[in-house]
Amino acid sequence: NAGVMQNPRHLVRRRGQEARLRCSPMKGHSHVYWYRQLPEEGLKFMVYLQKENIIDESGMPKERFSAEFPKEGPSILRIQQVVRGDSAAYFCASSLAAATEAFFGQGTRLTVV
Amino acid sequence: GQQVMQIPQYQHVQEGEDFTTYCNSSTTLSNIQWYKQRPGGHPVFLIQLVKSGEVKKQKRLTFQFGEAKKNSSLHITATQTTDVGTYFCAGEIAGANSKLTFGKGITLSVRP
Repeated sequence: NAGVMQNPRHLVRRRGQEARLRCSPMKGHSHVYWYRQLPEEGLKFMVYLQKENIIDESGMPKERFSAEFPKEGPSILRIQQVVRGDSAAYFCASSLAAATEAFFGQGTRLTVV
Repeated sequence: GQQVMQIPQYQHVQEGEDFTTYCNSSTTLSNIQWYKQRPGGHPVFLIQLVKSGEVKKQKRLTFQFGEAKKNSSLHITATQTTDVGTYFCAGEIAGANSKLTFGKGITLSVRP
């Protein structure tokens, strides 16, 4: 049973481009969380999805950021028109049920140049 | 604002010393989880506590959930260099869409 898979592991984008971060949850997991982490800082909640539904997006900026978790395929975190301040590590986690043990992917490290 | 708090953010200990850190919430938690993130790595689940006053042990690590379910502690006995990393607590705040709210973590360094 493969763990949570995130790709790409590293992503470099120029300012103004779009960044697409993918997360394949563990098999059987229908709950997906996205977190952002800056160096030397904690995990900041962005969005919580449960198959095709956004349950809580209170941590996600209203502009430029969007997330989806389609019926088929990975969850996608999309950042449009990236700015330097978007540079961070973005972690995805999945769980079997709400607020149970969360399994994290290895993260996507986004660098905006 | 931040509802799950971990203070301080950094702690340095001498190898062999004991280490205790705390996690506090302004609201009642349905459950609390602890994770460890090694430098350059990703958070890895350590334990989940659900019951008021619950205590769980994993080798040299002891986790406790407060009676009021608003705080938790992690105690490491006789720290080793392998204990280095950032320890996060994460709480499910009752009624908050069942999302996990993470504290900022405490980064432990161990002097050999």
